[in-house]
This record gives sequence, C-alpha cells and structure tokens, in this order.
Amino acid sequence: EVQLVESGGGLVQPGGSLRLSCAASGFTFSSYWMHWVRQAPGKGLVWVSHVKSDGSSTGYADSVKGRFTISRDNAKNTLFLQMNSLRAEDTAVYYCVRDDIGLSPFDYWGQGTLVTVSS
Amino acid sequence: EIVLTQSPGTLSLSPGERATLSCRASQSVTSNYLAWYQQKPGQAPRLLIYGPSSRATGIPDRFSGSGSGTDFTLTISRLEPEDFAVYYCQQYGSSPWTFGQGTKVEIK
Repeated sequence: EVQLVESGGGLVQPGGSLRLSCAASGFTFSSYWMHWVRQAPGKGLVWVSHVKSDGSSTGYADSVKGRFTISRDNAKNTLFLQMNSLRAEDTAVYYCVRDDIGLSPFDYWGQGTLVTVSS
Repeated sequence: EIVLTQSPGTLSLSPGERATLSCRASQSVTSNYLAWYQQKPGQAPRLLIYGPSSRATGIPDRFSGSGSGTDFTLTISRLEPEDFAVYYCQQYGSSPWTFGQGTKVEIK
C-alpha cells in the first residue's frame, strides 16, 4: 500500500525557518517524481515545488522561489522541503504528492502537515 | 502559466441528480493532460479522472470526464451522498502545474 506521511509542521514566527519531511513507503520511491502542494485555510490547491526522481531537477512556484528548497533522500525514501524566510501567506497545509514521470496526474497524496506563520 | 477557471463556484443539487462541472484553460492544455480531484473536509484530495477521460483506480463509473484543448467537463451521472465535496481540475502538461479554484457540490 502506498503511504506518504508528512511531518515537521508547526507554528513559526515570520522570518523563521521550518523543514518538512515526507516518509514514503509501498512503492519504489526512487522511480517517481515528487511534489509539494499547499492549501491555505479555506482556500484552493497551489503547487509549490517538484523534484525529479533522481533529484537532478527541481522547480518552484514564483511565490516561494529563493526561499524554499526541495530535496530527497532516495536511500531513506524521504522527501524534504526546507522553508526559509517564512511569511504569513505561507500558512497552509502542505501535502506531499507522488507523480509518475512528471507528465502524470498526482495519484497519491499524504494527509498533510499544517504550517502556521504568525507572531 | 496556464490559468484554469472552474464554473460554477457552487452547485446545489439533490442526491440522484446529474452534476456537470466545467474547467476552462487560458491556453490549450498540452496533450489534454487534465485531471480532476475530489476533496472532502479535513481530507487530502483524491484523484478521480485524468487524461482527460480515464478514471483512476477504484473510481465508480458514475464519474466521467471529457473535453479537449481549453474546455473540459466533469460529469457525475447520479449524485450519491458521498459525492458532495469540492472538486478541482488540474493541468499537468506543463510547469508550473496549476489548479482551478474549485467547485463545491453541496446538498440542495
């Protein structure tokens, strides 16, 4: 059974940092692209970042470029999102999402982890 | 960036009725790589339809997708109580991946 379990969310002050993790199981993690998608309270879904299966390519939404860094450890089946210079508008549930080849629908989603940026 | 606009914003229907949701893209979606997701309160989204008319694993056949280019439709032939939720379209043919703003299907 495919499982994606996020962790690392919490309350952080504006300007602070947080590192999210996503533990993957039930599939060959190193064969899949992975993404982070976020959802602000009561709002819609917004793509944040992607990483290719081997980690050789990454991409970011303009709203987080230069502040967030996505990475992965294929030996440990884990996806990461390092978030720096956090702003109030980064407050959201962050979902870890699987994608087959980068031109595939998002077929499995984690349960999400809540990040709250507030003083 | 491809902007996806969903309509209507809210659809008020009764169980057993047919639901028709629209998703319009600001430019042609590459290879019709358009997907639909269902999200219930407190839950992660779930993939329903992709490509744009293939059902994901385990999705009942009352859900169907159609369309091409810039205009796509999700149809629920007969609403079941568990279908009342928010539905999002997404294009996955070009980066950045983008979502529509959602259509809420509520009980009338």
